Amino acid sequence: EAGVTQFPSHSVIEKGQTVTLRCDPISGHDNLYWYRRVMGKEIKFLLHFVKESKQDESGMPNNRFLAERTGGTYSTLKVQPAELEDSGVYFCASSRAATNEKLFFGSGTQLSVL
Amino acid sequence: DAKTTQPPSMDCAEGRAANLPCNHSTISGNEYVYWYRQIHSQGPQYIIHGLKNNETNEMASLIITEDRKSSTLILPHATLRDTAVYYCIVRVTGAYKYIFGTGTRLKVLA
Repeated sequence: EAGVTQFPSHSVIEKGQTVTLRCDPISGHDNLYWYRRVMGKEIKFLLHFVKESKQDESGMPNNRFLAERTGGTYSTLKVQPAELEDSGVYFCASSRAATNEKLFFGSGTQLSVL
Repeated sequence: DAKTTQPPSMDCAEGRAANLPCNHSTISGNEYVYWYRQIHSQGPQYIIHGLKNNETNEMASLIITEDRKSSTLILPHATLRDTAVYYCIVRVTGAYKYIFGTGTRLKVLA
């Protein structure tokens, strides 16, 4: 079974540009999560989808971040316009159920904003 | 804020047991203890979780004290590939998100 895949693995952009990160969860996993680690900080929750619906986006830092999950399959996380402080590693995770289920994480996208 | 406290780093000799402690003194009765690890440049990987009973799987054992205020993750025969940051996370039953702390950086020495 394929794991959670994220694309691209690395992205280098200039401040003010737009970047879109993609996550393909494990097939059949209705729950999809985005997390990120910015430099020197802990891994932080961003948001949670159940199928195509956003259940909780309380961790999204500001309105420059937009997450979508059309059709309840893959998800995208767009940063527009990117700022220097957005640099970090963005992780996607999925699970079958939302509660008491382990999460399967992807390898992450390393985003560098110059 | 993270509800757990872990030592920032530990060393372990290859082939020996690695015992990673975690303090969660404010844990509630319906909160599970989860352990994940992150090997450099990879995403966090699930290891084990438990509520109040000790748990064992193919990767590790989890020992939870009777008062549930602390736990220990045991890697019975550490290998070099176990070098990673280990996170102890308390998760409320029915909750869906994790709050990661700073974890313990385990270095397995040859």
